[in-house]
Amino acid sequence: KAGVTQTPRYLIKTRGQQVTLSCSPISGHRSVSWYQQTPGQGLQFLFEYFSETQRNKGNFPGRFSGRQFSNSRSEMNVSTLELGDSALYLCASRPGGDFLETQYFGPGTRLLVL
Amino acid sequence: ELKVEQNPLFLSMQEGKNYTIYCNYSTTSDRLYWYRQDPGKSLESLFVLLSNGAVKQEGRLMASLDTKARLSTLHITAAVHDLSATYFCAVALNTNAGKSTFGDGTTLTVKP
Repeated sequence: KAGVTQTPRYLIKTRGQQVTLSCSPISGHRSVSWYQQTPGQGLQFLFEYFSETQRNKGNFPGRFSGRQFSNSRSEMNVSTLELGDSALYLCASRPGGDFLETQYFGPGTRLLVL
Repeated sequence: ELKVEQNPLFLSMQEGKNYTIYCNYSTTSDRLYWYRQDPGKSLESLFVLLSNGAVKQEGRLMASLDTKARLSTLHITAAVHDLSATYFCAVALNTNAGKSTFGDGTTLTVKP
């Protein structure tokens, strides 16, 4: 099976712009979680989507939003970018129906905000 | 709020030596993960520990879980250079299985 894929892999934006990142889970996986990784804050949970519904949400401002499509692909959007949004954004997928499941992480999208 | 603490944060080892990374968490958790991350790369799942006393081993790495002490350890045996990476532990609840809380990571450098 193909792994989790994320696009784009690298992105440069300027403050005030918005950005959309995409994540395609492993085939058959219905749960997609998003994480932000920065040197200062480490790995922080953003949100989880399952069957097109947001199931969990982390402590991020409303500028961070996401959605999931019927094919389980997920997007996250960050509006009004700030310098502090520069980070590696990771998505992880799992089947979603059993608590014994492992999360599989994608390669990440590295976002630089200038 | 669930908190996860790892120590040490930085570890420099000589090849052939043994060492242990510790992961403490603040509240009852249903599962504990260990991940490896190489520089500029994503997270690779190493172990999932689900019950008290669970022990898993893969090569030179062995992970264990003590749910009563809220402690997991990752033991490195006879370290080799290829083990140089950052290791994260993360915990999750069954009710929020898609939400993991991560420790700060332990950056391991194995020197010849």
